[in-house]
Amino acid sequence: DIQMTQSPSSLSASIGDRVTITCRSSQNISNYLNWYQQKPGKAPKVLIFGTSSLHDEVPSRFSGSGSGTDFTLTISRLQPEDIGTYYCQHSYSTRYTFGRGTKLDVK
Amino acid sequence: QVQLQESGPGLVKPSETLSLTCIVSGYSIGSHYSWGWIRQPPGKGLEWIGTIHHTGSSFYNPSLQSRVTMSLDTSKNQFSLKLNSVTAADTAVYYCVRDAGIFDDWGQGTLVTVSS
Repeated sequence: DIQMTQSPSSLSASIGDRVTITCRSSQNISNYLNWYQQKPGKAPKVLIFGTSSLHDEVPSRFSGSGSGTDFTLTISRLQPEDIGTYYCQHSYSTRYTFGRGTKLDVK
Repeated sequence: QVQLQESGPGLVKPSETLSLTCIVSGYSIGSHYSWGWIRQPPGKGLEWIGTIHHTGSSFYNPSLQSRVTMSLDTSKNQFSLKLNSVTAADTAVYYCVRDAGIFDDWGQGTLVTVSS
C-alpha cells in the first residue's frame, strides 16, 4: 500500500502567517493528492483535490502544489477559522490512504 | 445538496458484528458515484474502510478486508457497513461519505464503542 507521510505533526502559527504543510507518498502518485480540513468535533471537509484544485467555496488563501511524491499545502495568511487538523490523502489507486494529520493552532 | 446520515448502535460487544447504515438524501445512489466508509478512533487520524460503486462492486482496506462487507439498497437510497469480530480497536467515529474520487460529502459521523 502507498504510505502518506505528513509533516509537521503539529504546528503553531500567528494570525497572518504563511503556513506550509508537506505530504510525501511512498511511491509516485502523479497528482492524485487531496487535502482535507477537520475542525474539532466535525467531519472533515475537502479543501484541495488533484494536488492544486480548490474545492467549492474554499478561500483563495489556500493553495496546493507538488507532483510525484512530494506535495505541499500552503495557507498564505492564516486566519482564526483555519485552526484544525489537516490531512492529505491519495486517490492514485482504490486503496486509499491518509496521512496522519497536521494539527494547526494559533500561537 | 447531498446529505448523508449514519445510523446504528452506539455500543457493540467484543466479537460481535458492527452494523451501520447511511441514509442518503438529495442524490440517487444507484445513478452514479461510489459510496464509502471512513473511521476515526478517538484522538487519532482517518482510516478508509471501503467503498462500494453504484453498480454494487466494492473494494476494501486490505487491513480490514477479511471482516468487512458493504452493500447498497437503492430502493431505500441507503448503503450499509458490516464489520464482524470487533474488538476495542474498532472503537471509532464512523463516517459515511460520497466517493467521487475525492470524499466530497460526509455524514456527521457516529461514535461506535466496542465494550462488554
